[in-house]
Amino acid sequence: RKEVEQDPGPFNVPEGATVAFNCTYSNSASQSFFWYRQDCRKEPKLLMSVYSSGNEDGRFTAQLNRASQYISLLIRDSKLSDSATYLCVARGMGYNFNKFYFGSGTKLNVKP
Amino acid sequence: NAGVTQTPKFQVLKTGQSMTLQCAQDMNHEYMSWYRQDPGMGLRLIHYSVGAGITDQGEVPNGYNVSRSTTEDFPLRLLSAAPSQTSVYFCASSLDNTGRAFFGQGTRLTVV
Repeated sequence: RKEVEQDPGPFNVPEGATVAFNCTYSNSASQSFFWYRQDCRKEPKLLMSVYSSGNEDGRFTAQLNRASQYISLLIRDSKLSDSATYLCVARGMGYNFNKFYFGSGTKLNVKP
Repeated sequence: NAGVTQTPKFQVLKTGQSMTLQCAQDMNHEYMSWYRQDPGMGLRLIHYSVGAGITDQGEVPNGYNVSRSTTEDFPLRLLSAAPSQTSVYFCASSLDNTGRAFFGQGTRLTVV
């Protein structure tokens, strides 16, 4: 099993919609978590960290559920510019503390 | 505002050739890493470094070498290129190893 798994999508939503992505992680990758955004043929860029109590940054909300071992990203009032691939990232545990595990990404298409 | 600079941006190699992908950062970051990104696989960690003179293996280190003689530079060497190494390679750096990383623009490598 991969350390981090995501639904590849694509999620096709109209402008203004609310959309949510989940990401599951394994026991070996559960130290800390992040969401990155990657535009087509570009480098990944940090979107937000995920805190245990949940956190919000404008239209974006990230949550962590340790009991079920998943993190989520909620995007409200979707914009055309939100179209991208969203990567879930988890930090390794123990000996793998310095390793970061990326999911394969969830593609979002926001349509007019 | 150079950030993380990777060279070259594109490269075609013949099987068996060797080459070095360059990565340099001007942010005085201690933590640097190399990833490869393949369709449907997400980013996979090749090698990483937590400071000058210190390197360690990631998930997929075979066929690659690294060194970290200075804080700024972290080159990735392909010893004998194989078609399986056709991929997009990203270098990343962060001030510490908390996961808030900055990525270079990537090197698209094709091995024929």
